[in-house]
Amino acid sequence: GQSLEQPSEVTAVEGAIVQINCTYQTSGFYGLSWYQQHDGGAPTFLSYNALDGLEETGRFSSFLSRSDSYGYLLLQELQMKDSASYFCAVVTGGFKTIFGAGTRLFVKA
Amino acid sequence: DAMVIQNPRYQVTQFGKPVTLSCSQTLNHNVMYWYQQKSSQAPKLLFHYYDKDFNNEADTPDNFQSRRPNTSFCFLDIRSPGLGDAAMYLCATSRGLADKETQYFGPGTRLLVL
Repeated sequence: GQSLEQPSEVTAVEGAIVQINCTYQTSGFYGLSWYQQHDGGAPTFLSYNALDGLEETGRFSSFLSRSDSYGYLLLQELQMKDSASYFCAVVTGGFKTIFGAGTRLFVKA
Repeated sequence: DAMVIQNPRYQVTQFGKPVTLSCSQTLNHNVMYWYQQKSSQAPKLLFHYYDKDFNNEADTPDNFQSRRPNTSFCFLDIRSPGLGDAAMYLCATSRGLADKETQYFGPGTRLLVL
């Protein structure tokens, strides 16, 4: 079967750093994506890793290890507006995309 | 300058009454996706098109059909909606580049079945 695992909830304080892990088991793999979704809104793209290593975009970074079927999203200098759900998603052959169940991030003052 | 447009934003239908949701894009992307998302759950892929090639997920009910008459438009038809089909339906597009895959989502259509 195909599966992605990520923690269901993470809580952190403003200004802190938080890491959301994602492990996957899929047949076929193009890359690992991360999306942010606020309540009532649509998912918005954060990052995509096709190759091993770290990708940095502002306060957000994403890491991939293809050999370990593992990736993470790192959020730095947390702000209240970062409170949202974060989904990892694997893009497989033919651009089929499988989403993880999502991690709800709560940022406290 | 909306890039992925979904109409309507809210749709109310009756049990068993066919309904069509629409999606259009101004990005000229090759790939278009339809997802179903229920409260506090992950988006679930129903189908996707790479250009005209249609890809149906094995667990997508036959009650759900899709059409892509041209690059810009894609439709989701629910032939006989049941109460369990009430959800947010998200359309997304991407260029279809394995090294730079980015999906752009529309605002979604929230479907209510009475």
